[in-house]
Amino acid sequence: QQPVQSPQAVILREGEDAVINCSSSKALYSVHWYRQKHGEAPVFLMILLKGGEQKGHDKISASFNEKKQQSSLYLTASQLSYSGTYFCGTENLSGTYKYIFGTGTRLKVLA
Amino acid sequence: DAGITQSPRHKVTETGTPVTLRCHQTENHRYMYWYRQDPGHGLRLIHYSYGVKDTDKGEVSDGYSVSRSKTEDFLLTLESATSSQTSVYFCAISELLAGGHNEQFFGPGTRLTVL
Repeated sequence: QQPVQSPQAVILREGEDAVINCSSSKALYSVHWYRQKHGEAPVFLMILLKGGEQKGHDKISASFNEKKQQSSLYLTASQLSYSGTYFCGTENLSGTYKYIFGTGTRLKVLA
Repeated sequence: DAGITQSPRHKVTETGTPVTLRCHQTENHRYMYWYRQDPGHGLRLIHYSYGVKDTDKGEVSDGYSVSRSKTEDFLLTLESATSSQTSVYFCAISELLAGGHNEQFFGPGTRLTVL
């Protein structure tokens, strides 16, 4: 079963912040985040392993709450280049290297 | 960029015909994946491989088979294509690093249309 992402779509002005949530019905070992530009392949942003860690990459950071089986991606002071579709990919506790992706969140940043 | 290629990049075929998509990597990564991407469904895992001749099913494996006879190649076969298999197909690779799991690198995708 695919993890649920929210919101499905969001429109921002440059400099605004956004949060994208990913929620799973299964216990998770890791969560990956990817961004996909239109017509291109998904590109890796970051991975979070169980343990409640947080990570950051430039002005994009993420958290993973394994008890709630949720992860959130935080985009701070958004730039035009942040536009795209964001996917979370989850791996369950059996650790089979089998990643199930969410349905995606479309983000558009306007000038 | 990770060395992943997919062939063909575009294909139009008719219902009932067999189709094989190829994923080739030059990174010597152990894990390889096939996904399909459709509007409203995001990326859905079809099959994956955790080594030569070692494969397992994903979420949407019905109607698809795979083979991996060497590390660098992962083939996806539609035995008898149906219109519901019209989609964009992505191949991905990854490797396990000490201390955790690694990112997936995606190929450029194959757009398949079944008429």
